[in-house]
Amino acid sequence: ILNVEQSPQSLHVQEGDSTNFTCSFPSSNFYALHWYRWETAKSPEALFVMTLNGDEKKKGRISATLNTKEGYSYLYIKGSQPEDSATYLCAPEQAGTALIFGKGTTLSVSS
Amino acid sequence: DTGVSQDPRHKITKRGQNVTFRCDPISEHNRLYWYRQTLGQGPEFLTYFQNEAQLEKSRLLSDRFSAERPKGSFSTLEIQRTEQGDSAMYLCASSSSSTNEKLFFGSGTQLSVL
Repeated sequence: ILNVEQSPQSLHVQEGDSTNFTCSFPSSNFYALHWYRWETAKSPEALFVMTLNGDEKKKGRISATLNTKEGYSYLYIKGSQPEDSATYLCAPEQAGTALIFGKGTTLSVSS
Repeated sequence: DTGVSQDPRHKITKRGQNVTFRCDPISEHNRLYWYRQTLGQGPEFLTYFQNEAQLEKSRLLSDRFSAERPKGSFSTLEIQRTEQGDSAMYLCASSSSSTNEKLFFGSGTQLSVL
């Protein structure tokens, strides 16, 4: 079973703070690393799909980096807003298998 | 394109009863996935299909669970002889058949087993 670790488990920040989370995964048989955002009462929504070592993706105030050799990815949120409150999930994709999700990092942003 | 739809949204059943959920993926998507999510956990993989072929099933999945995708369109997930531990959110997702493609999720079916 693929071991996917996300840290921290939960995080509470003030509006305007910048924050980051970590996703660790096995580096063998790597195809891609997915990040999803899951807001309460909604469906998980894809943020990024990253494939190359050193990849950096950005979507508004959210960005992510990828290190496939050591098996980790960071997700950064700059100037957190209350609407960023959600659970952030990562899922590595290996050859020929379905996505296996980590337990997620739950972010709460207070105004 | 109306996205991935799941039915029902909520299901309450008594222990020992059978339940069936339906998922309609995005029409042009070949892959369809079932996940289960319980409080404090990420989505747990159950099974996935490429067209009508079931390509992978979680080794942790009880024999009481079965899924089908006739004709490679909609899919059904059946749980026989439900147990209280089956209470969870059941999520369906679909994607194109290429690797590195993001998943599109439905709203889920919340199952409560009394």
